[in-house]
Amino acid sequence: QKEVEQNSGPLSVPEGAIASLNCTYSDRGSQSFFWYRQYSGKSPELIMFIYSNGDKEDGRFTAQLNKASQYVSLLIRDSQPSDSATYLCAAPRGLNTGFQKLVFGTGTRLLVSP
Amino acid sequence: IAGITQAPTSQILAAGRRMTLRCTQDMRHNAMYWYRQDLGLGLRLIHYSNTAGTTGKGEVPDGYSVSRANTDDFPLTLASAVPSQTSVYFCASSEFGAATDTQYFGPGTRLTVL
Repeated sequence: QKEVEQNSGPLSVPEGAIASLNCTYSDRGSQSFFWYRQYSGKSPELIMFIYSNGDKEDGRFTAQLNKASQYVSLLIRDSQPSDSATYLCAAPRGLNTGFQKLVFGTGTRLLVSP
Repeated sequence: IAGITQAPTSQILAAGRRMTLRCTQDMRHNAMYWYRQDLGLGLRLIHYSNTAGTTGKGEVPDGYSVSRANTDDFPLTLASAVPSQTSVYFCASSEFGAATDTQYFGPGTRLTVL
């Protein structure tokens, strides 16, 4: 089982709809999670960071964390064609004292059609 | 402020040749990372550095080496390139490498080994 798992998609939604992207993780000790967006041919850029159970909202984006069920999701409201990208979920893992690496899922490709 | 720069942008390399991918950041971040990204496998950590003068191995270090002579630069060297090293390489940095630190990515280097 991969540490961080995502459905590769593509997830297709019409413009204006809510896109729901999901991520499950295997390590119950995971405390925080990152969502990155990656446009084709570009580098990943941070969308959201969440470390508490529940929801965190930032504009059209809402991250949801459920530690009991070991999943984290990203909701995109009023989806736009410009949201079409691959969304990467990542969780920190300790490498040595106080130092962490990020373990990434393989990403979910989102397609928003006009 | 440029953030993170990488060079070259792309390169085609003959198998067996030596190649150094350059990475420079101007954010005075302590932690730096090298990832490779392959279709279906996501981002995998090659090497990392906690701070200038220290480096460590990630998930896929074989065939690669790094150095961290100063805070800003973190070059990645392929001593004798092989076709399986064909990939997109991303350099990243974070302030301290803590679990809550965002990693910022460079634009990437697309490497093809023939």
